[in-house]
Amino acid sequence: DIQMTQSPSSLSASIGDRVTITCQASQDINTHLNWYQHKPGKAPKLLIYGASNLATGVPSRFSGSGSGTDFAFTVSSLQPEDIATYYCQQYAYIYSFGQGTKLEIK
Amino acid sequence: EVQLVQSGTEVKKPGESLTISCKASGYTFTSYWIAWVRRTPGKGLEWMGSVYAGDSDTKYSPSFQGQVAISVDKSSNTAYLRWTSLKASDTAMYFCARLGGSPFYLDSWGQGTPVTVSS
Repeated sequence: DIQMTQSPSSLSASIGDRVTITCQASQDINTHLNWYQHKPGKAPKLLIYGASNLATGVPSRFSGSGSGTDFAFTVSSLQPEDIATYYCQQYAYIYSFGQGTKLEIK
Repeated sequence: EVQLVQSGTEVKKPGESLTISCKASGYTFTSYWIAWVRRTPGKGLEWMGSVYAGDSDTKYSPSFQGQVAISVDKSSNTAYLRWTSLKASDTAMYFCARLGGSPFYLDSWGQGTPVTVSS
C-alpha cells in the first residue's frame, strides 16, 4: 500500500491568510496526486488533479505543487467559504487518501 | 449533466446484509470506473474499491478486500456496494463517484448514503 500522510491534521487561519497543507507519500508517486474539498453534508469536490492542475470552475486562489513524494496545497487568500476538510489522494498504485486536514477560521 | 444518485438512509443490525446503489446518468456508463468511498469521523475518506462498468473488472483496497462486494448492472446504469454481514464498525457515510480517465480523479460524486449499524 502507498500511505499518504497529510499535515497538519487541523489548521486555524484568518480570512485573507495564505494557507498551505502538505501531503507526503510513502513512495514515489510522480505527480499522480489529486486534492479534494469536503464540506459537511455535501459530496467532496475535486480541486486539483495531477498535482498542480486546477479543476474546471475552481477559483485560482487554490493551487497545488510537488512531485515524487512531497506535495503541497495552497489557498493564497482564505475566504469564508473555504472552511472544509481537505484531502490528498494518490492514484499511482490502487488509490488512497490522506487522513484529511480540517481548515477552520480563527 | 453527469449525475450519480444514491439510495437512501439505511439502519441495520449487526450480522444483517445490505446492498446500496448508485444510479448514473448523463454519460456513457460503460466507459468509466465507479468508485466507492467511505467517510467516517475518525478516519476521514477511505477508498474502498472500484469497478469498471464496461466489463465489471473490480479492484479493492486491501482494507476492504473480502469485506464488501462491488458490482454493476449495465442494463440499469447502476453500481452496487454489498455487505453480507454488517458490523457496527461499518457505520459511516458511503459515497459513489465516477473515476475519470487518465489522470484518474473522482470528477462526479453521489450525494452519499448514510449507513448505521446498531443492535
